[in-house]
Amino acid sequence: AQTVTQSQPEMSVQEAETVTLSCTYDTSESDYYLFWYKQPPSRQMILVIRQEAYKQQNATENRFSVNFQKAAKSFSLKISDSQLGDAAMYFCAYKGPGGPALGGSQGNLIFGKGTKLSVKP
Amino acid sequence: DTGVSQDPRHKITKRGQNVTFRCDPISEHNRLYWYRQTLGQGPEFLTYFQNEAQLEKSRLLSDRFSAERPKGSFSTLEIQRTEQGDSAMYLCASSRTGPREQFFGPGTRLTVL
Repeated sequence: AQTVTQSQPEMSVQEAETVTLSCTYDTSESDYYLFWYKQPPSRQMILVIRQEAYKQQNATENRFSVNFQKAAKSFSLKISDSQLGDAAMYFCAYKGPGGPALGGSQGNLIFGKGTKLSVKP
Repeated sequence: DTGVSQDPRHKITKRGQNVTFRCDPISEHNRLYWYRQTLGQGPEFLTYFQNEAQLEKSRLLSDRFSAERPKGSFSTLEIQRTEQGDSAMYLCASSRTGPREQFFGPGTRLTVL
């Protein structure tokens, strides 16, 4: 079964600095998708960034970028120029390919336990 | 795009009571997911619909849980004979077909006394 591990329960960063959140996963699939979701306190979860496993180029979205190491099964999130609004729980998530007929799921996400990011002014 | 909505946002109930939650997905999304999130954990998949068909259920979804999506639009999640261990945030998400982003609702926080 696929698993997602986030080894940093909490992280802290100074405003305007850079922070990297770690995520490792385990899968026997070669084609899959990885996501970072942000969950601010008492607010709904929103997608930060996604990465398709077949793409070698690391995804970037403004101040957010990933370091995707497929062989190492590692998917870290880098937040540059951290802002107070970045404070939240960050969840790494995995989605496998195909449906039940292919031995996979229809697309439900498998989440890590999350990393709580604090941003200091 | 009005986003995914869930109702109620909070529910307090006594052990043994039945509760029902509603999720309204983004209108053009044909996929709808239910997740459960307990304190300090990431969301865990419960069940998934494509249109009105329930295509997948997690082993976490015991016989006391039932979900419906009768017309392929809104969905309900019912928990019968609630237990204290059912206390959690219940999240709904929707997406288009394919490896698309799942849009999450604000969740329903259930407290079982």
